[in-house]
Amino acid sequence: NAGVMQNPRHLVRRRGQEARLRCSPVKGHSHVYWYRQLPEEGLKFMVYLQKENIIDESGMPKERFSAEFPKEGPSILRIQQVVRGDSAAYFCASSGTSNTEAFFGQGTRLTVV
Amino acid sequence: AQSVTQLGSHVSVSEGALVLLRCNYSSSVPPYLFWYVQYPNQGLQLLLKYTTGATLVKGINGFEAEFKKSETSFHLTKPSAHMSDAAEYFCAVSDTGGGNKLTFGTGTQLKVEL
Repeated sequence: NAGVMQNPRHLVRRRGQEARLRCSPVKGHSHVYWYRQLPEEGLKFMVYLQKENIIDESGMPKERFSAEFPKEGPSILRIQQVVRGDSAAYFCASSGTSNTEAFFGQGTRLTVV
Repeated sequence: AQSVTQLGSHVSVSEGALVLLRCNYSSSVPPYLFWYVQYPNQGLQLLLKYTTGATLVKGINGFEAEFKKSETSFHLTKPSAHMSDAAEYFCAVSDTGGGNKLTFGTGTQLKVEL
């Protein structure tokens, strides 16, 4: 069974560009979570999605960040007009229900230059 | 609101020595507690979790943790460190038994020396 697949693994963007991070959950999982890990810090919850629905986006910055999990295809975390402070590792996790173990992907490391 | 404090951002032990990584939590509801390990440039792997029942939880790779409600602690231990245990370890708390909105500590980098 394939685990959570994130791509790209590394992404370099210039300030002002858009970054799109993709996450394919474990097959059969319908719950997806995005976390951000800043240098020297732990992971911080960003958003929790089910298919076609945002359940909890309390950790998402109010501007420039958006997330979706369409009926078909991967979940996408989109960052518009990136700034240096967006440089971080972004991890996606998925679970079969909200009460079962979440499996993490290997992350996308975003560098804004 | 929930929070996790990991004492010691860096811990160094000799191979074969006891590993003790400390975690204290704050939660207004009965907590679900987790330990994850992260190897360089990898994602997080679940080591063990406490949901309900037995307070001593055994995980993978010989690790275990004990939930102590009176001390609001969930320290991670391993009797004998191995070189392959060198990694970063994260304690996390949730109000559900799964991955929904985990609150992580800042991590402890474990170094194992010969």
